[in-house]
Amino acid sequence: ILNVEQSPQSLHVQEGDSTNFTCSFPSSNFYALHWYRWETAKSPEALFVMTLNGDEKKKGRISATLNTKEGYSYLYIKGSQPEDSATYLCASLNQAGTALIFGKGTTLSVSS
Amino acid sequence: DSGVTQTPKHLITATGQRVTLRCSPRSGDLSVYWYQQSLDQGLQFLIHYYNGEERAKGNILERFSAQQFPDLHSELNLSSLELGDSALYFCASSDSSTLEFYGYTFGSGTRLTVV
Repeated sequence: ILNVEQSPQSLHVQEGDSTNFTCSFPSSNFYALHWYRWETAKSPEALFVMTLNGDEKKKGRISATLNTKEGYSYLYIKGSQPEDSATYLCASLNQAGTALIFGKGTTLSVSS
Repeated sequence: DSGVTQTPKHLITATGQRVTLRCSPRSGDLSVYWYQQSLDQGLQFLIHYYNGEERAKGNILERFSAQQFPDLHSELNLSSLELGDSALYFCASSDSSTLEFYGYTFGSGTRLTVV
């Protein structure tokens, strides 16, 4: 059974702080790793899809890296802003490559 | 508006009852995925349909069933409801051949409360 773990479960930072969270996934039969941002009362929205070992993606102040050999991905937020407050989900494709298996998420709260 | 439409947004029903949740995928997407999010749980994968055919099953109870119709909308049927079935049910769509390159588009979810 594919198990995706995220840490920490929650995080509280001050405006302007940089932060990062971890997603761990089985390295065998890896297809792709997805990151989603889920704001309260909204739907999850796709941030990044990563497939290659060593991949690095960036969108504004948010970036992500991927290590498929050791089975982890980091999401970084530089200079956190209150609008970055959300739950960040990572997901790995199941072994058949047909559906995403999600971690429980890291909930980020940014205070101004 | 993500383009994925879920109805109803909220549903309150009694134990033992049956409900149907509906999802219309984004235009052009052939795949529909159903997920359940209960308290303190992550998004749990239930089932995936592609162009009318079941493609993958996750942790879906036998009391639950789903189908995808020729117009590509999907319905998730939940029967003999129990208190523990109270959750947020999400539908997502994609062009499933590109899950390695593009992500899901999620609907706004249906909040089911069983009393």
